[in-house]
Amino acid sequence: EPEVTQTPSHQVTQMGQEVILRCVPISNHLYFYWYRQILGQKVEFLVSFYNNEISEKSEIFDDQFSVERPDGSNFTLKIRSTKLEDSAMYFCASSPRTGSDTGELFFGEGSRLTVL
Amino acid sequence: AQRVTQPEKLLSVFKGAPVELKCNYSYSGSPELFWYVQYSRQRLQLLLRHISRESIKGFTADLNKGETSFHLKKPFAQEEDSAMYYCALRGISNFGNEKLTFGTGTRLTIIP
Repeated sequence: EPEVTQTPSHQVTQMGQEVILRCVPISNHLYFYWYRQILGQKVEFLVSFYNNEISEKSEIFDDQFSVERPDGSNFTLKIRSTKLEDSAMYFCASSPRTGSDTGELFFGEGSRLTVL
Repeated sequence: AQRVTQPEKLLSVFKGAPVELKCNYSYSGSPELFWYVQYSRQRLQLLLRHISRESIKGFTADLNKGETSFHLKKPFAQEEDSAMYYCALRGISNFGNEKLTFGTGTRLTIIP
């Protein structure tokens, strides 16, 4: 069964460094998402992406964040200058769009980012 | 604005006892409600959605628009039900596939 894959599974970085988290969505899916979960808190929406552009973003997704689908398979989240509060589990998700959209999101296993 | 509230962070239930995980929502339109589950060391996955009115792994959930609730229920808990459960809401918009808003989650532990 096809799955969303994410790399790396865990990344440790120094404050102020740039980080790129990578995701390979399920191949025939058209909608892509990034969510994050700070330890002990809820899963929060960051951004959705469709047709090579951002369709919606949250207040969290400020100028330090960007997303890209560089080659038709990868979907990346870049954090330009990491802050301590960016430490979280980042989840990528994708969903198909069919005639009978079920609304289900398919999640990756997550990338844990630790900012020191 | 859309909001999902799960009042219980932790819930422990004996095996064979009934389970109810509470979920309340706030949304001005007609939402779609979902329950997602995350078993230990596994990814977040869909358990059930209100529009399909199905029972999955013995779990059911009924959307009560009057009480703005979508509680998850199972009559007889099993050990394998131990997991983190998230209630989620999707609003209807013109964007197409609208984002999900999650509750804070309830960690369910089934006591053998």
